[in-house]
Amino acid sequence: EAQVTQNPRYLITVTGKKLTVTCSQNMNHEYMSWYRQDPGLGLRQIYYSMNVEVTDKGDVPEGYKVSRKEKRNFPLILESPSPNQTSLYFCASSLSQNRVGYTFGSGTRLTVV
Amino acid sequence: KNQVEQSPQSLIILEGKNCTLQCNYTVSPFSNLRWYKQDTGRGPVSLTIMTFSENTKSNGRYTATLDADTKQSSLHITASQLSDSASYICVVSGAGFQKLVFGTGTRLLVSP
Repeated sequence: EAQVTQNPRYLITVTGKKLTVTCSQNMNHEYMSWYRQDPGLGLRQIYYSMNVEVTDKGDVPEGYKVSRKEKRNFPLILESPSPNQTSLYFCASSLSQNRVGYTFGSGTRLTVV
Repeated sequence: KNQVEQSPQSLIILEGKNCTLQCNYTVSPFSNLRWYKQDTGRGPVSLTIMTFSENTKSNGRYTATLDADTKQSSLHITASQLSDSASYICVVSGAGFQKLVFGTGTRLLVSP
């Protein structure tokens, strides 16, 4: 089944403890992106990747890192999480950036205390 | 500034009734407009994608329209079902943009 898989679904962590949220897609998509969703703000882009080893900042990149060493994986790294990063995170992938629909993962609900 | 505004913010309708959700955008130049359905706590799922030359597209009971001149789109849901209860998000892509512009969504509740 074609899908985007995020792990974990839920995560509670403490301020400053490094964490990684994994994202994997099995559709050979070139484009991948991370979003956060907060009440009343809609989805905001954190980072995106046009292809392997090509990444760029979205609207809210501060406090996050990404890497794209393989086409299928696009992990999101929080080196020193803070409470304002408590949010619902989505990974998405697409064949190309503009022309076709995106496939979203099921989301990761992160709480930083 | 590139923006996407949706109305209403929330809507309650009775099962079996029709409804229309609105999306106005200021993104320019325009490439395409997408409607997504998002169940609570789940990832958005694509309903329709329309380019500049398309003014209507259907997906089952969902019909989207696009007026590129007035920069407006609507999503019409026919014969609503309880499973239609979700947030509906309008997303606009600008030509040459590296990212999408998201609306904040309309939360629809279909009541029995």
